[in-house]
Amino acid sequence: GQQVMQIPQYQHVQEGEDFTTYCNSSTTLSNIQWYKQRPGGHPVFLIQLVKSGEVKKQKRLTFQFGEAKKNSSLHITATQTTDVGTYFCAGPGETSGSRLTFGEGTQLTVNP
Amino acid sequence: DSGVTQTPKHLITATGQRVTLRCSPRSGDLSVYWYQQSLDQGLQFLIQYYNGEERAKGNILERFSAQQFPDLHSELNLSSLELGDSALYFCASSVASGYNSPLHFGNGTRLTVT
Repeated sequence: GQQVMQIPQYQHVQEGEDFTTYCNSSTTLSNIQWYKQRPGGHPVFLIQLVKSGEVKKQKRLTFQFGEAKKNSSLHITATQTTDVGTYFCAGPGETSGSRLTFGEGTQLTVNP
Repeated sequence: DSGVTQTPKHLITATGQRVTLRCSPRSGDLSVYWYQQSLDQGLQFLIQYYNGEERAKGNILERFSAQQFPDLHSELNLSSLELGDSALYFCASSVASGYNSPLHFGNGTRLTVT
């Protein structure tokens, strides 16, 4: 079945440093979604990318969808303590009936 | 606030028991999903309902069952509980049945089996 892998599993940064998490799928995705889960909280939808090579920005966050629609990345510029949490990517395969598969997540810790 | 309501917030029960988790989706959302999240782990898809009908099934144990009622709220029933069932159970909802619309998660029910 479809697998979605994320690296790294954990990332510790100093406040102000940049952070990137990578998402790779074993199959082509129809779209990629990113979610953030704060410690003790629930996943919150951040963004969805649909087109091959698409790049979207939300303030300090930059999301990219690969040309082959099998990988994606989330880059945070100049991290802040409010960025702490686990970032999940999720994507459905392109075949009909494919379900949304979540990656294992990247847990980000920001030291002030 | 996502608009998805889950009750109860916490549940502590003993092995062998049965519990029911409840979820009310966002107004207007027809799809309800159940996910299990064990400590420091990812989100494991259990089951999806759309407008009252089962739409997709994930790694849901035979001891677990769910349903979606005419008013679109959903219940997840967990029976013959084992220690390993201790986890955070999330309900999520979306407008459509496919996976092109984002999921809106509730605050979760933390189940502890002792």
